[in-house]
Amino acid sequence: DAKTTQPPSMDCAEGRAANLPCNHSTISGNEYVYWYRQIHSQGPQYIIHGLKNNETNEMASLIITEDRKSSTLILPHATLRDTAVYYCIVRVVQNAGNMLTFGGGTRLMVKP
Amino acid sequence: NAGVTQTPKFRVLKTGQSMTLLCAQDMNHEYMYWYRQDPGMGLRLIHYSVGEGTTAKGEVPDGYNVSRLKKQNFLLGLESAAPSQTSVYFCASSWSTGRVGYTFGSGTRLTVV
Repeated sequence: DAKTTQPPSMDCAEGRAANLPCNHSTISGNEYVYWYRQIHSQGPQYIIHGLKNNETNEMASLIITEDRKSSTLILPHATLRDTAVYYCIVRVVQNAGNMLTFGGGTRLMVKP
Repeated sequence: NAGVTQTPKFRVLKTGQSMTLLCAQDMNHEYMYWYRQDPGMGLRLIHYSVGEGTTAKGEVPDGYNVSRLKKQNFLLGLESAAPSQTSVYFCASSWSTGRVGYTFGSGTRLTVV
């Protein structure tokens, strides 16, 4: 699975959009981009995933560049409850294992 | 619909003691996983299962054993606990297609003294 690079921390004002970047320059054609977050002391929570098209759900939007070497998770109106560590994960969807490899992630602090 | 339930939520063990962590899911997921998370670190995969009666090693399997006798349950055992196994343990489950996300439990905080 391709390695990802994320900034260790970011701040965002409450009510503003939070844009979390992720670099995955070695991504291959059959690898998906997944985003999870972990609020303090809780289990990780799945947010969104995509292959090459932009995706949107009730939680967030995922923008993937045309060359697929980077992506951005967008929380359109961040709230204090969005303070968490956000993990960008790139992996091949396979029949056996489907293992997720979690790196350091980005610690997002939403401030009033 | 509880999702993924882990028991117990907290436990303190003495070095050399044994214990079993239980994970139960009610979503009929085929795959189940055990992760550990040390302070300030990401999650590391211990063992996983792709179906009832099957298990496989992950990234850090030493010192742990697992069993999946029923589809909905995945047990993680520590035969002889060591202080290095002090960690938060998370169980997760997923569909076999893999194109959707994992569902995680709320974790078990284990301290070995």
